[in-house]
Amino acid sequence: QVQLVQSGAEVKKPGSSVKVSCKASGGTFSSYVFSWVRQAPGQGLEWMGGIIPMFDTPNYAQKFQGRVTITADESTSTAYMELSSLRSEDTAVYYCATLDPGYAFDIWGQGTMVTVSS
Amino acid sequence: DIQMTQSPSSLSASVGDRVTITCRASQSITSYLNWYQHKPGKAPKLLIYAASSLQSGVPSRFSGSGSGTDFTLTISSLQPEDFATYYCQQSYSTRYTFGQGTKLEIK
Repeated sequence: QVQLVQSGAEVKKPGSSVKVSCKASGGTFSSYVFSWVRQAPGQGLEWMGGIIPMFDTPNYAQKFQGRVTITADESTSTAYMELSSLRSEDTAVYYCATLDPGYAFDIWGQGTMVTVSS
Repeated sequence: DIQMTQSPSSLSASVGDRVTITCRASQSITSYLNWYQHKPGKAPKLLIYAASSLQSGVPSRFSGSGSGTDFTLTISSLQPEDFATYYCQQSYSTRYTFGQGTKLEIK
């Protein structure tokens, strides 16, 4: 059973970038389908994008296209999400998750709080 | 992108009640519909996948139904630990989208 452990909380200035990591253990990293989902305060869950390390081709939600970069490093079994041009509305908890063969997000990281504040 | 619309947005119910949450997709998603439970400070938890399949370890009081554009999540007899926010999510398109959530509160 795969486990996902994310990096710690971040505080960033508007206009800067943040890179959140998600380290996987307990499975075959290259075959997983990773996604990033966020929840802003008082808001719902929002899918941002994902990647299959085996194919190394990311897929992004239109809303974040051009501002988000999702990558995967097989040598460290770690997926990354980098969000640039941060604004206060990007303050949220960011989760990584894996998609199971039934096309559902079955395993989730613990979440990383990103606060954007001047 | 496929839009997912849940109703109601919030719901007050009592322990032991039967509760139904609905989810509508903006186009047919066949059975590529999943349901999650989310509690504050925790990661979301998968309850139902492929519209009606119960995820391993999830109590049988949770059930899902539907296909095409209309789906339901039913909790047959609410327990105290069920008060949370519930989300539907489509995986028909690889641009996955969630519903806006239904907050289930104690009456």
